[in-house]
Amino acid sequence: DGGITQSPKYLFRKEGQNVTLSCEQNLNHDAMYWYRQDPGQGLRLIYYSQIVNDFQKGDIAEGYSVSREKKESFPLTVTSAQKNPTAFYLCASTDDPQGPEAFFGQGTRLTVV
Amino acid sequence: AQKVTQAQTEISVVEKEDVTLDCVYETRDTTYYLFWYKQPPSGELVFLIRRNSFDEQNEISGRYSWNFQKSTSSFNFTITASQVVDSAVYFCALSDLDRGSTLGRLYFGRGTQLTVWP
Repeated sequence: DGGITQSPKYLFRKEGQNVTLSCEQNLNHDAMYWYRQDPGQGLRLIYYSQIVNDFQKGDIAEGYSVSREKKESFPLTVTSAQKNPTAFYLCASTDDPQGPEAFFGQGTRLTVV
Repeated sequence: AQKVTQAQTEISVVEKEDVTLDCVYETRDTTYYLFWYKQPPSGELVFLIRRNSFDEQNEISGRYSWNFQKSTSSFNFTITASQVVDSAVYFCALSDLDRGSTLGRLYFGRGTQLTVWP
């Protein structure tokens, strides 16, 4: 079945560590996105990518990094510079960048311990 | 600046009641899209509807209906005869073309937690 797979579902990080969240899609979509969700805050855009080897910062990119080496993969690294990384992270993709009807993964819940 | 406001943080209804979720948006663009998504407890966002700014026709899909009014910048969502399975967080979102690129992006409201009691 086609879809977006995020892994792991739950992730625990010690303070000062970098962690990488995986996002893989087999929908052949060009555009991919990373969002962060905090309680009562809705979803905020971290990074997005229209094509391979190209990506742009969203509204809250500080403390995060991404790569887009393959069309189907868009991993997100949460670096130690991100001061409050505990959140729910959602990856999305779309084949219509001008009016994105985005398909979302099931999310990764990151907790700093 | 683009902005989506969902003033209702939480709504509780009893099964079979009708419920309307409000969404008000702000944009300077003339071309944009509006969306509703459902987020069940599993966490994944489920697409419900997309409407472009030139199509104000209301839409009905089963128990769901949407009312788009440009004059009031609103895109409200009504669930008729609600069911327990409708319990979820519902997000309204707006998209437009990102400045300087051809890539659209979504702006989300904060969501409305709907609880339907049996």
